[in-house]
Amino acid sequence: EDQVTQSPEALRLQEGESSSLNCSYTVSGLRGLFWYRQDPGKGPEFLFTLYSAGEEKEKERLKATLTKKESFLHITAPKPEDSATYLCAVQEGGSNYQLIWGAGTKLIIKP
Amino acid sequence: DTGVSQNPRHKITKRGQNVTFRCDPISEHNRLYWYRQTLGQGPEFLTYFQNEAQLEKSRLLSDRFSAERPKGSFSTLEIQRTEQGDSAMYLCASSSKTAEAFFGQGTRLTVV
Repeated sequence: EDQVTQSPEALRLQEGESSSLNCSYTVSGLRGLFWYRQDPGKGPEFLFTLYSAGEEKEKERLKATLTKKESFLHITAPKPEDSATYLCAVQEGGSNYQLIWGAGTKLIIKP
Repeated sequence: DTGVSQNPRHKITKRGQNVTFRCDPISEHNRLYWYRQTLGQGPEFLTYFQNEAQLEKSRLLSDRFSAERPKGSFSTLEIQRTEQGDSAMYLCASSSKTAEAFFGQGTRLTVV
């Protein structure tokens, strides 16, 4: 069964303390892996798409990496405004549109 | 603002009433998606349109739910005979062929 698991469920960091969020997936052929950020009461905001193992993408303090079984979202020297829930979604090879979503990691950055 | 727009942002309704939500996608996007999200969970796929054609509907979606996208522009999602279990955030997203979906702010439905 296709599934996406994110860990940890929640992560509290001090401002400036770097860490990584994990997204592990089991799908029959990966078409794309997506990272989104979601603030409370709002819709998800697109961050990155990764298509193949070894691919990396960066945006400000965030860097996403992909292997054949998992993706990491590395956050370097985070600031309080990086606090949000980070969602991972996978598009499997047989689908043109449907995404399989993880439950998210709630990130809290303390000043 | 050229993003995805959803209305209303909040809706409180009594059990048994019908509700309708509207989504205006990014104008050049031909693909439109509806999702439902409950607290602490990722979005759950409901249905997908390519232009005006509804190409897929989740098996989890009861027949009380219906969606339309006339003329391939805006879309509406209607829930008939609402139940308390329908309380959730309803999200609309749109995309072009590149598949990155851009989401609206959602409509939060509370059924009392």
